[in-house]
Amino acid sequence: EAQVTQNPRYLITVTGKKLTVTCSQNMNHEYMSWYRQDPGLGLRQIYYSMNVEVTDKGDVPEGYKVSRKEKRNFPLILESPSPNQTSLYFCASSFGGSRIDTGELFFGEGSRLTVL
Amino acid sequence: QKEVEQDPGPLSVPEGAIVSLNCTYSNSAFQYFMWYRQYSRKGPELLMYTYSSGNKEDGRFTAQVDKSSKYISLFIRDSQPSDSATYLCALFNSGGYQKVTFGTGTKLQVIP
Repeated sequence: EAQVTQNPRYLITVTGKKLTVTCSQNMNHEYMSWYRQDPGLGLRQIYYSMNVEVTDKGDVPEGYKVSRKEKRNFPLILESPSPNQTSLYFCASSFGGSRIDTGELFFGEGSRLTVL
Repeated sequence: QKEVEQDPGPLSVPEGAIVSLNCTYSNSAFQYFMWYRQYSRKGPELLMYTYSSGNKEDGRFTAQVDKSSKYISLFIRDSQPSDSATYLCALFNSGGYQKVTFGTGTKLQVIP
């Protein structure tokens, strides 16, 4: 089954404790992206990757890191989480070589993160 | 000014009603116009997409784009309880920055 898999789905952590949210897709997509979803603000892009070893900042990259060492995986790293990073996070992937063609994104089921 | 404006709702309608969901946008460079549906505790999934102006129909769903007014709509005919979800409009410019811009979403509840 074609899918984007995120882990963990739910996480409660404390300020400053490094964490990683993993994302893996099995559709051989070259484009991958992370979004956060907050009430009243909608989906905002954090980082995206056009291909292996190619990443770039989205609209809200502060406090996050990413890496793309393999085509299928795109982990999101919070080096020192703070309460304002409490949110619902989505990983998404898309077709496309050097660019997305139409904007169709395939999303994971989300990771709800709470930072105390 | 936000790039995309969408009424957050919530919108509550009886089963069988016609539902109209709308977004306005400010950037005339957008070429692809999409509607994503997001069920509770799930990720968004693409429902429909349209390239440029015009209408597109898929079963009970019709997407409408008016580029001159920068206005997009999604109509749902004969709404069903299974249509209860949050609907997000999304816009994309394939010639520019590789980002899909989302509206904030409208929460729809169809009451049996």
